[in-house]
Amino acid sequence: EVQLVESGGGLVQPGGSLRLSCAASGFTFNNYAMSWVRQAPGKGLEWVSVISGSAGSTDYADSVKGRFTISRDNSKNTLYLQMNSLRPDDTAVYYCAKGIHLLAVSNSFDPWGQGTLVTVSS
Amino acid sequence: EIVLTQSPATLSLSPGERATLSCRASQSVSRFLAWYQQKPGQAPRLLIYDASNRASGIPDRFSGSGSGTDFTLTISSLESEDFAVYYCQQSSNWPLTFGGGTTVEIK
Repeated sequence: EVQLVESGGGLVQPGGSLRLSCAASGFTFNNYAMSWVRQAPGKGLEWVSVISGSAGSTDYADSVKGRFTISRDNSKNTLYLQMNSLRPDDTAVYYCAKGIHLLAVSNSFDPWGQGTLVTVSS
Repeated sequence: EIVLTQSPATLSLSPGERATLSCRASQSVSRFLAWYQQKPGQAPRLLIYDASNRASGIPDRFSGSGSGTDFTLTISSLESEDFAVYYCQQSSNWPLTFGGGTTVEIK
């Protein structure tokens, strides 16, 4: 069974940093691109970032470019999101999600993790 | 950025009725369009990918159609567990984008 389990969320002050992790199991991790998608309270879904299976390619939404860094450790089957210079409008549930197409970077997502809540507030 | 517009925002129907949800793209996305279902407190679940392919384990009452800029998700006969929010998502162009969602509620 494919499983994604996020961790690392919490309360952080504006301007602070946080690193999210997503532990993956049940599939050949380095064959699939992985993404982070967020959902602000009561709002819709926003794609945040993607990383290819080999980690050779990454991309970001304009709203986080220059502040967030996506990475992965294929030896540990783990995806990361380093979030710096956090702002109140970054408050959201952050989901990690597996791309559905083998070796493709642009993708639909299946499955998703259960999400981890990041709250940016003083 | 490709904007996805979903309509209606809310659909009020009874169990057993047919639901038709629309997703319109601001420019062509070919068939790179997916649909997700989200229930309160849960992560989204993939229903349809590449416009018309059902994801693994998805009942055949869910179907997707369309190409280019106009797409439809149809639920042929609503079950109680189908009342939820539905999102479309395009993977044709960067950045990947989602529609604003359609809530299917019990009438």
